[in-house]
Amino acid sequence: AQSVAQPEDQVNVAEGNPLTVKCTYSVSGNPYLFWYVQYPNRGLQFLLKYITGDNLVKGSYGFEAEFNKSQTSFHLKKPSALVSDSALYFCAVRDFGSSNTGKLIFGQGTTLQVKP
Amino acid sequence: GAVVSQHPSWVICKSGTSVKIECRSLDFQATTMFWYRQFPKQSLMLMATSNEGSKATYEQGVEKDKFLINHASLTLSTLTVTSAHPEDSSFYICSATGFDSYNEQFFGPGTRLTVL
Repeated sequence: AQSVAQPEDQVNVAEGNPLTVKCTYSVSGNPYLFWYVQYPNRGLQFLLKYITGDNLVKGSYGFEAEFNKSQTSFHLKKPSALVSDSALYFCAVRDFGSSNTGKLIFGQGTTLQVKP
Repeated sequence: GAVVSQHPSWVICKSGTSVKIECRSLDFQATTMFWYRQFPKQSLMLMATSNEGSKATYEQGVEKDKFLINHASLTLSTLTVTSAHPEDSSFYICSATGFDSYNEQFFGPGTRLTVL
């Protein structure tokens, strides 16, 4: 079965410092990986995805993620955090199960708190 | 592009009544729509997957007679919570994928349901 894990419930970082939000996955075959961000009482906003190609993926709002096949990881990064980056972040992997409807399997989410 | 709307954004109802939530893709044709439920500070729980013109596929443990899903057109899916009870109070989020965006889901802003 395919799964995604986000080992940290919360990440705290000072504004201007680099941030990393961790994600590891377990899939059979090549993974399709996604990062989404959710602000309070809002839906999810797409940040970036890895399907194939370069291991370093650049996305919205200055975020990037590195696909590491050997470590089965897809950590989200940003060189310089902003207070406005404070939100709930979800890593997801596409489920290629028998139904193959394109459904996503989400991690449990990581709250990012950026302090001024 | 790729905007998904939900209506209403919030609803309060009495126990025993039914509530309908609409999910619309505004600028693309949604071949597949997904309905999620989210509890505070938790991950998204997939409830069902619906394809236009066919019956929805429900996840294990989700009561199909309680959560009625209709996907009558390529731009509209509805979720009806029948005979709602306080334990149905939650944040309901829909997402959609189109012909050209099969790998990526676009999320609506969510609907906050409170059952008194």
